[in-house]
Amino acid sequence: GAGVSQSPSNKVTEKGKDVELRCDPISGHTALYWYRQSLGQGLEFLIYFQGNSAPDKSGLPSDRFSAERTGGSVSTLTIQRTQQEDSAVYLCASSLLLSSGANVLTFGAGSRLTVL
Amino acid sequence: GDSVTQMEGPVTLSEEAFLTINCTYTATGYPSLFWYVQYPGEGLQLLLKATKADDKGSNKGFEATYRKETTSFHLEKGSVQVSDSAVYFCALLGSARQLTFGSGTQLTVLP
Repeated sequence: GAGVSQSPSNKVTEKGKDVELRCDPISGHTALYWYRQSLGQGLEFLIYFQGNSAPDKSGLPSDRFSAERTGGSVSTLTIQRTQQEDSAVYLCASSLLLSSGANVLTFGAGSRLTVL
Repeated sequence: GDSVTQMEGPVTLSEEAFLTINCTYTATGYPSLFWYVQYPGEGLQLLLKATKADDKGSNKGFEATYRKETTSFHLEKGSVQVSDSAVYFCALLGSARQLTFGSGTQLTVLP
């Protein structure tokens, strides 16, 4: 597609419920990233997928968070047993992987999650 | 690990004023450096980048020079406009292949 598409754009859920957030990266981009942007805080790295390599999960804050990327394209971020502190905007980005290191990440508009 | 420290905001300027937002970094090796901008109600967009020492990134009147000796990548613009009001993020892409962001600086430009 023309850009990175994320859905839903807004999600309100009750504490303890599971949520799934979806990301459609730019066609042909081999790298896919998830970040979290909390109110008053910066952007927190969550997870990185690159081709068929094992994902870098070093940023996931707890075992309630998981993500998968099917067929090297669409990715789903799952949060189990949501807590109020999970409320944030979840951003997905994709990029080509350049040998020069000048990868430019293109971000989606984000999914705003509110946990009541 | 990699880290980025940028000037805390908020910053409020009058139109046509000079803007500097400081950014320093810590990283191993030779990271690429970026400024991203988030306009109100919109997603993050790349503003400019530099991939090696002494490179100058520029776009929309904004400039930043990759200074390895001072590990800095300060953002400057000679004459800001109301439309520049946004949150600006400094970031680096290091050997881990993930962008590490600064905390963001809110800029408000008054007419």
